[in-house]
Amino acid sequence: GAGVSQTPSNKVTEKGKYVELRCDPISGHTALYWYRQSLGQGPEFLIYFQGTGAADDSGLPNDRFFAVRPEGSVSTLKIQRTERGDSAVYLCASSQGLAGVEGNEQFFGPGTRLTVL
Amino acid sequence: DQQVKQNSPSLSVQEGRISILNCDYTNSMFDYFLWYKKYPAEGPTFLISISSIKDKNEDGRFTVFLNKSAKHLSLHIVPSQPGDSAVYFCAASVGGYQKVTFGIGTKLQVIP
Repeated sequence: GAGVSQTPSNKVTEKGKYVELRCDPISGHTALYWYRQSLGQGPEFLIYFQGTGAADDSGLPNDRFFAVRPEGSVSTLKIQRTERGDSAVYLCASSQGLAGVEGNEQFFGPGTRLTVL
Repeated sequence: DQQVKQNSPSLSVQEGRISILNCDYTNSMFDYFLWYKKYPAEGPTFLISISSIKDKNEDGRFTVFLNKSAKHLSLHIVPSQPGDSAVYFCAASVGGYQKVTFGIGTKLQVIP
């Protein structure tokens, strides 16, 4: 089946603008995760959803960042008043279930490269 | 504060030989450990995992070793192949796979 898809693949915006990044998880996966990867760094956890609810949003850097998953499938990461420091690759991942079960590894999409000028 | 550390930014290995990638962690609460492989312009791909109740897990050419007392894990690839050339991320989590903390990665180059 299809893997995790993310759109757009690239997004260039100006400082102060609003952006939305979309993630389509693997069909049937109940858990969805957002990460941010800055240059030369590993992915950094932002938020994860179990179904429609945000189960852990402790990684969101500030209140300019918000994510939704209204129907328990597609998710949108929203960034308000973008800053140059928000430039990074935003990765989405999904998994079949949750913690503690072998085989519930996260499958990643290719990411959206966000550039804030 | 890096809770998962990969101190070698790069590694070159001859095809057919063993590749050993190392990882140290500081958070003693971590109980699941994973290795991901990443090619350019792609998302990370899960490779192998290990829980803290084990000290070794093997999957084909890939073996992960966990030394809890030293807070150290390593990934062995035998034999190394040119297609293994990628960035390898060590990762860890508490209580499962939800909130995963990644290292900064080690770039492996397998020379034909």
